[in-house]
Amino acid sequence: QSALTQPPSASGSPGQSVTISCTGTSSDVGGYNHVSWYQHHPGKAPKLMIYEVNKRPSGVPDRFSGSKSGNTVSLTVSGLQAEDEADYYCSSYGGSNNLVFGGGTKLTVL
Amino acid sequence: QVQLVESGGGVVQPGRSLRLSCAASGFTLSRYGMHWVRQAPGHGLEWVAGFWADGSVQSYVDSVKGRFTISRDTSKNTLYLQMDSLRAEDTAVYHCARDESFFVFAVWGQGTMVTVSS
Repeated sequence: QSALTQPPSASGSPGQSVTISCTGTSSDVGGYNHVSWYQHHPGKAPKLMIYEVNKRPSGVPDRFSGSKSGNTVSLTVSGLQAEDEADYYCSSYGGSNNLVFGGGTKLTVL
Repeated sequence: QVQLVESGGGVVQPGRSLRLSCAASGFTLSRYGMHWVRQAPGHGLEWVAGFWADGSVQSYVDSVKGRFTISRDTSKNTLYLQMDSLRAEDTAVYHCARDESFFVFAVWGQGTMVTVSS
């Protein structure tokens, strides 16, 4: 299983919106809706932000949203805030009881 | 309070073994699928292994198949990762995570560092 493809970096100013893409294949992202997004501040435990493409766990602000088109899923962060600065990882079920993560995107709030 | 606490990391020589533990509190481990996820220095997250709630499946990433074994002790409410024939590329912070439905990890531990070096 190859890692999903994410841009290494993304940035935006406070209040703006930013979208992070995650591209896989028909064997993972395109074939299943078992796609999640995680926020990771270095040295801390990762935090689930989106699951099943576009569902938000309780407690995650509605500024975070997810979508899917073909073999690509996207995470959009609206109304950027300083505390959103972190690494973001997508993950997708890859069949055969395996999970694959994206390479991660470092989000910088300018 | 729902919590996962990993332990057992350290520095080990290539070819040697190490066993990681993940102690669960605030919930019953056997009611959830549990997984190990690692992050090598300067790299992203990588799923390593999973243990299904009903115990029917243990699954592994190809790079650790035959070397790592995931297991649990329900009496101790603890998840384990037995790592044999360790390689330099296994150097990473290892997190355990609770599966909420199907590869949805809503509860994570802080991680334990494993360094494989001579």
